[in-house]
Amino acid sequence: DAKTTQPNSMESNEEEPVHLPCNHSTISGTDYIHWYRQLPSQGPEYVIHGLTSNVNNRMASLAIAEDRKSSTLILHRATLRDAAVYYCILRDGPGGGADGLTFGKGTHLIIQP
Amino acid sequence: DGGITQSPKYLFRKEGQNVTLSCEQNLNHDAMYWYRQDPGQGLRLIYYSQIVNDFQKGDIAEGYSVSREKKESFPLTVTSAQKNPTAFYLCASMRGQVNTGELFFGEGSRLTVL
Repeated sequence: DAKTTQPNSMESNEEEPVHLPCNHSTISGTDYIHWYRQLPSQGPEYVIHGLTSNVNNRMASLAIAEDRKSSTLILHRATLRDAAVYYCILRDGPGGGADGLTFGKGTHLIIQP
Repeated sequence: DGGITQSPKYLFRKEGQNVTLSCEQNLNHDAMYWYRQDPGQGLRLIYYSQIVNDFQKGDIAEGYSVSREKKESFPLTVTSAQKNPTAFYLCASMRGQVNTGELFFGEGSRLTVL
């Protein structure tokens, strides 16, 4: 069961880019990298996921290292509404059952106005 | 609107009482999940169901029970055997495959045992 490591907290300024790191040195070849975020007193929401190539969507970009042992979630221009806890999790192949469905403590992102 | 509805949002109970939390989805998703979150902590998986009439224990199933009689509904009972039931409970459903699917969460139920 592959695990991830994230910093407990990060701080950034409004309207600046934010790079949230995630280490997953024991990732297997079939593990997908998923990111979710959780605003205070709400359920998490999906942000993005990828396997090997970098991914972009309307919320963020996901940069995956060539060896896949780490990844970075990029918020291109942070707003106060991006202040949340960001979770990086790994999910494996179709036979994975509940693997990768537990969320660690994540990174608490603080945005300064 | 499609989504996950959890009720009640807040619940207070006396120690020793069983409590049932409701989770309903109209997204037509097969898989549903129950999580527990304690203050400052991540989410821990209690139970999950990948199809109607079938469910599996997660990491912290002791003291909890579930049923999945209908696709839309996945209620969670917190029994008196759960030693520390005060927590924030989140229900989710999944669209797509296990490895690539997107989880959709409800707004949560906050249970306080007095």
